[in-house]
Amino acid sequence: EAGVTQFPSHSVIEKGQTVTLRCDPISGHDNLYWYRRVMGKEIKFLLHFVKESKQDESGMPNNRFLAERTGGTYSTLKVQPAELEDSGVYFCASSQERLAGVSYEQYFGPGTRLTVT
Amino acid sequence: TQLLEQSPQFLSIQEGENLTVYCNSSSVFSSLQWYRQEPGEGPVLLVTVVTGGEVKKLKRLTFQFGDARKDSSLHITAAQPGDTGLYLCAGLRGSQGNLIFGKGTKLSVKP
Repeated sequence: EAGVTQFPSHSVIEKGQTVTLRCDPISGHDNLYWYRRVMGKEIKFLLHFVKESKQDESGMPNNRFLAERTGGTYSTLKVQPAELEDSGVYFCASSQERLAGVSYEQYFGPGTRLTVT
Repeated sequence: TQLLEQSPQFLSIQEGENLTVYCNSSSVFSSLQWYRQEPGEGPVLLVTVVTGGEVKKLKRLTFQFGDARKDSSLHITAAQPGDTGLYLCAGLRGSQGNLIFGKGTKLSVKP
């Protein structure tokens, strides 16, 4: 079974440009999460999809970040326009459907390292 | 303010030594998870502890959840170079699905 995949693995862009990150979750996983780790800080939650719906987007830093999950399969995270402080590693994770409030293991992708210069 | 404080941040030991990593919080968690991350990869789950006072063993690794479900520890016995990596604790609160991570402990085991 294929794991969570993310593309690209690394992206270097200039301040003001746009970047789109992609995440393909494990097939059949309804829950998809985006996290980010900036240098020197802990991994922080950005948002959570259940199928195609945004369940929780309380961690999104500002309106320059837009996440979508059309059709409930893969997800994209667009940063427009990118700023220097957006640099970091963006992780995607997926888990199967939650039942009776039980959270299942989140499987993480390898991450996309974003560098904004 | 960091919700989960992990210590130590860095740890360099010799093969065969024992070590303990701590994860502390003033908040209660419904469960706490320990991950290990290798360079260029995402975190990989090692264990989940759910019940206060719970102890779980995974070969030479022993995980403990505090009685009040606010803290946890990871103890490695007779560390080996293959244990080298970044160890992360992460907690779940209530019914929320998103994980709250500590900063991690970077472990280096020298042969």
